[in-house]
Amino acid sequence: AQSVTQLDSQVPVFEEAPVELRCNYSSSVSVYLFWYVQYPNQGLQLLLKYLSGSTLVKGINGFEAEFNKSQTSFHLRKPSVHISDTAEYFCAVSPGAGGTSYGKLTFGQGTILTVHP
Amino acid sequence: NAGVTQTPKFRILKIGQSMTLQCTQDMNHNYMYWYRQDPGMGLKLIYYSVGAGITDKGEVPNGYNVSRSTTEDFPLRLELAAPSQTSVYFCASSGNQPQHFGDGTRLSIL
Repeated sequence: AQSVTQLDSQVPVFEEAPVELRCNYSSSVSVYLFWYVQYPNQGLQLLLKYLSGSTLVKGINGFEAEFNKSQTSFHLRKPSVHISDTAEYFCAVSPGAGGTSYGKLTFGQGTILTVHP
Repeated sequence: NAGVTQTPKFRILKIGQSMTLQCTQDMNHNYMYWYRQDPGMGLKLIYYSVGAGITDKGEVPNGYNVSRSTTEDFPLRLELAAPSQTSVYFCASSGNQPQHFGDGTRLSIL
């Protein structure tokens, strides 16, 4: 079984400031990790993914995340946010290749990022 | 390519009515999924399918049914609508990772 905990339900920040959205997970098997963004009244859009290889992953819109296996974390960061980054962000985990539940995502509760001018 | 298309976008049902939420994808993906999203709860997996003719329960399947007769389509059926099923429903598909999501169906049961 897997679980995902997003440590902050809401994160307010001023425009051009840095931001970190925190995500911890638990799993008994190897995992794939994802961050999705959801703008109001829209579906989920993939920001970035970690499948294997380098633990620092770069995504769209200037976001990046670092996979830390020892701390079971996958925090999302952006050095300078814009008003347009205001949205809800979801961390998700799935079993890695060879797992019997391949592809099934377990989501965190979501973090609402609000960027103020 | 349209990706994942969900219909309808909005629907209001009365308690006890039934309806089918439609989902179709044009990416020839084997895997398809149905999630529900409730405020502050993230997304919960209702049902998933690994290919035509094969479906399985997710975390919250009670009150729902699915079928997968073709690779493209994965409809979700509510037989006896209950207020607890008021939610936003998302369909997704994937080949290899990641999953691609539709724009959702907002369903209210009154």
